[in-house]
Amino acid sequence: GNSVTQMEGPVTLSEEAFLTINCTYTATGYPSLFWYVQYPGEGLQLLLKATKADDKGSNKGFEATYRKETTSFHLEKGSVQVSDSAVYFCALSVEYGNKLVFGAGTILRVKS
Amino acid sequence: NAGVTQTPKFRILKIGQSMTLQCTQDMNHNYMYWYRQDPGMGLKLIYYSVGAGITDKGEVPNGYNVSRSTTEDFPLRLELAAPSQTSVYFCASVRDRAIYEQYFGPGTRLTVT
Repeated sequence: GNSVTQMEGPVTLSEEAFLTINCTYTATGYPSLFWYVQYPGEGLQLLLKATKADDKGSNKGFEATYRKETTSFHLEKGSVQVSDSAVYFCALSVEYGNKLVFGAGTILRVKS
Repeated sequence: NAGVTQTPKFRILKIGQSMTLQCTQDMNHNYMYWYRQDPGMGLKLIYYSVGAGITDKGEVPNGYNVSRSTTEDFPLRLELAAPSQTSVYFCASVRDRAIYEQYFGPGTRLTVT
């Protein structure tokens, strides 16, 4: 089956620290991979995506590379800000019906 | 474009009551979805639709029903509310292929007591 495993949180960092949130997946076929972010009280927003192996998605200083050999899509940011505090979800998309399979989410707290 | 809109924002139901959660999108997207999000958990797919008149079950469909009579609307029906249905419900839509992002509504917080 299809599944996504994320590192557990919460992750607490000081401002300007380096961020890594691990994500690994199991999938049949060739999924697209996504990171969504959820700010308090809001719905999910797409942060970045990669649609094939070795693609790198990037947005707002965040990056993730689609690694087929290790079935991973780790999220990184070189210098986090307080405004990055949110819940981050790794997800994969199954071709038929474009159904998203989500990881459990990782809470990120950035303190000033 | 308003994007994906959901109503109501909040609702408290008594056990056994029924209600419909409304979802509308104005982006002419073919695919629409209903998810539930329980505390500390990822989103679980309840039902989805790949076009008007076509619906299918997701991972957790028990206790829910949907219909898709138009491209724009995808209501979710709870017939006999149970405490286990206390959750935050998100509607989402996407143009078509898997490479495109899903757009999410702001969510409906439902409490069943």
